[in-house]
Amino acid sequence: QQPVQSPQAVILREGEDAVINCSSSKALYSVHWYRQKHGEAPVFLMILLKGGEQKGHEKISASFNEKKQQSSLYLTASQLSYSGTYFCGIYTDSWGKLQFGAGTQVVVTP
Amino acid sequence: EAQVTQNPRYLITVTGKKLTVTCSQNMNHEYMSWYRQDPGLGLRQIYYSMNVEVTDKGDVPEGYKVSRKEKRNFPLILESPSPNQTSLYFCASTSRWRGGLEGEAFFGQGTRLTVV
Repeated sequence: QQPVQSPQAVILREGEDAVINCSSSKALYSVHWYRQKHGEAPVFLMILLKGGEQKGHEKISASFNEKKQQSSLYLTASQLSYSGTYFCGIYTDSWGKLQFGAGTQVVVTP
Repeated sequence: EAQVTQNPRYLITVTGKKLTVTCSQNMNHEYMSWYRQDPGLGLRQIYYSMNVEVTDKGDVPEGYKVSRKEKRNFPLILESPSPNQTSLYFCASTSRWRGGLEGEAFFGQGTRLTVV
């Protein structure tokens, strides 16, 4: 099953914060976050690995709760460039199928 | 420059006419995959390939074929396209992280397919 993302959409003013959540019914091996701007391809933001290791862009922060099978992406002091659709992707094994959520649309206004 | 190149970008075809969407990467990645993107459903994996001659089904493989004869190329084949395959398709090439784990996926620019 696809992971479930919430909220489906969020509207922010520049400088405000937001949290995007991703939850799975299966045990997770890793969680991946991507952002897609309108008409473009998804772009990598971050990987969070079971056990606490993570790799990603410095300005993005996220958490991974293995017990709850959830991950959250934190958009802090949002900028106009943060607008787009955010997808979480999950691996339930160390490799193989990658399943994405339906996405969270983020709109940052001036 | 690291690149995943898909062709064509746009394609309108008729039901039943076989077509191939090409995907090529220049990063020497072993792992490649195909996704379709539909409104409200996000990205759904069609097929993936761990390496040359190694492919496996994703979540929505029905009506699609793939082949991986060379490391850099991973074409998507629709033998008999139907209108429900109208979608936006992305190819992705994924790096390895720490030797064995899937890392960052690099996506192609997408192919918008319309089947009439």
